[in-house]
Amino acid sequence: NAGVTQTPKFQVLKTGQSMTLQCAQDMNHEYMSWYRQDPGMGLRLIHYSVGAGITDQGEVPNGYNVSRSTTEDFPLRLLSAAPSQTSVYFCASTSTRFYEQYFGPGTRLTVT
Amino acid sequence: SQQGEEDPQALSIQEGENATMNCSYKTSINNLQWYRQNSGRGLVHLILIRSNEREKHSGRLRVTLDTSKKSSSLLITASRAADTASYFCAQVRRGNTPLVFGKGTRLSVIA
Repeated sequence: NAGVTQTPKFQVLKTGQSMTLQCAQDMNHEYMSWYRQDPGMGLRLIHYSVGAGITDQGEVPNGYNVSRSTTEDFPLRLLSAAPSQTSVYFCASTSTRFYEQYFGPGTRLTVT
Repeated sequence: SQQGEEDPQALSIQEGENATMNCSYKTSINNLQWYRQNSGRGLVHLILIRSNEREKHSGRLRVTLDTSKKSSSLLITASRAADTASYFCAQVRRGNTPLVFGKGTRLSVIA
């Protein structure tokens, strides 16, 4: 199993540009989440999904969209990038109600 | 803030010593988990303790949970240089909502 994969590893955007961060898992996990990690702030939940077709907002959802058309994929869309979205983004998945989450390697995003 | 808090923010010890990190949280929980993050990497799950458990062991790790004080501690015994990392506690609150993470403790183990 590849586990949780994220692409790209690094990305630089200009203010106002849009892009999609990709996340995929091959463990048939129902639950998937997106977090952002900023220095000194820990991890903050952006959006999560409890199954295909079902998504919900986390603590910091503004400026981001998600969809879950398949069990495997959970892309995160930045609608109009802002410097405040400069961060490291982690995707995670779990099979059972957010017990033992498996994390991807992260995407480091810089918005200039 | 919905986050829990780890204490201390940073800890530096010699190899072979024990390391203790504490975590406090705000609301009733279903379970509490500890994760490790090596620099520049994703988080790795270490151990989970349920709300009806008081202590759990896994190798050199010992976790305690005091739900009356809304706190947990992680003890790493006989630390090694490879234990150098950031350690996060995370809670699954009642209703099985997603994990809420604290800000982490940065552990440095000096050889």
